[in-house]
Amino acid sequence: QSVLTQPPSVSGAPGQRVTISCTGSSSNIGAGYDVHWYQQLPGTAPKLLIYGNNNRPSGVPDRFSGSKSGTSASLAITGLQAEDEADYYCQSYDNSLSGWVFGGGTKLTVL
Amino acid sequence: QVQLVQSGAEVKKPGASVKVSCKTSGYTFTGYFIHWVRQAPGQGLEWMGWVNPNSGDTIYAQKFQDCITMTRDTAIRTAYMELSRLRSDDTAVYYCARAYYYGSGTKYFLDYWGQGTLVTVSS
Repeated sequence: QSVLTQPPSVSGAPGQRVTISCTGSSSNIGAGYDVHWYQQLPGTAPKLLIYGNNNRPSGVPDRFSGSKSGTSASLAITGLQAEDEADYYCQSYDNSLSGWVFGGGTKLTVL
Repeated sequence: QVQLVQSGAEVKKPGASVKVSCKTSGYTFTGYFIHWVRQAPGQGLEWMGWVNPNSGDTIYAQKFQDCITMTRDTAIRTAYMELSRLRSDDTAVYYCARAYYYGSGTKYFLDYWGQGTLVTVSS
């Protein structure tokens, strides 16, 4: 069981908007630690998608955005494309574990 | 360009040890921590710890405290992760990743990743 909770799967049609939630607690997201998001395409290493809650590295389309409030964070993807089909992971720091933690991952299916 | 190239797949017996290497290029090796993350088959990502290539200091996830060692060789810009007393549930792809520091305290994110090394533990 992951410290950060994500829905196992989400889906949407091309062009639609989907959101992926990441729920933590007072020892991680709620303590003010930043949340980062990674995209993992099948058979490849994870790739940084969002850092510091809502910042996109260069090269990441502005269809991807992040937000954080209280003990949760969210990743939003607008204008869904077939190439967005992947697993998405949130990550933060947990002060009770004194280490980094990942969410369990969410599989995005583009219908 | 920044690259992290890991060593090849390994097959080990239960109780053995494995050492995975992560050779870096394209940036100042001692300027960025190296983190290790693993992924069991069909499962999510699990953070294992980090090594500071400049000082050699390490921090390990509590789960791995008694069986993991992270080291580095600055002369060849390579980080290592050794896991001992292997069990079947250590079968996973192991990734090294560079941590980019963008503020104070815990403000790091993993910006470049190695290709992953499959470690299979089987009798």
